[in-house]
Amino acid sequence: GAVVSQHPSWVICKSGTSVKIECRSLDFQATTMFWYRQFPKQSLMLMATSNEGSKATYEQGVEKDKFLINHASLTLSTLTVTSAHPEDSSFYICSARVDSTDTQYFGPGTRLTVL
Amino acid sequence: GENVEQHPSTLSVQEGDSAVIKCTYSDSASNYFPWYKQELGKGPQLIIDIRSNVGEKKDQRIAVTLNKTAKHFSLHITETQPEDSAVYFCAARASGGSYIPTFGRGTSLIVHP
Repeated sequence: GAVVSQHPSWVICKSGTSVKIECRSLDFQATTMFWYRQFPKQSLMLMATSNEGSKATYEQGVEKDKFLINHASLTLSTLTVTSAHPEDSSFYICSARVDSTDTQYFGPGTRLTVL
Repeated sequence: GENVEQHPSTLSVQEGDSAVIKCTYSDSASNYFPWYKQELGKGPQLIIDIRSNVGEKKDQRIAVTLNKTAKHFSLHITETQPEDSAVYFCAARASGGSYIPTFGRGTSLIVHP
């Protein structure tokens, strides 16, 4: 299957700092990528849909000024958590949709811990 | 919008037994149904999917069945192995629009050796 990578796999930061997470589709083009947040033992919560070359579409309740998403190319989307606070600590997972098949593949996730 | 219900939330089986996870959906326009396996600390991995033009799909020990009339689909794992232990998520997605799938709440499968 198609491969999606995320970097970093984990990050620890101090409260008030910003953290950038990268999501890359390694062997396919992805016009659309998704960003999810997952709390322990819970399902995937969609944060936003990222479309190459246009603004992201955020789900209700997700602060677009806090979670900045950029999708500058067909293989890269980034999520920046600005002014992070302990309540932002979570497992962030991106996914990318294969343009030719509409199939969606997930990255390995990024564990964010805000101290 | 779409609503996906997944049952059971936890499933415990002995190695070699079969496991079945069921999902129902509400939007009759949904036509794509993927299943993902998520191991602890990792991202979900697509294991099998089915589209509405077929009723069943099989890949080695894994199979998925779809009943569009009843709006439900199921994941079947035969001859379970300890490495099948994980959380499994079903999803349903309608055609057109933004193609955003709706996920079930997940099933924690535990396979005892």
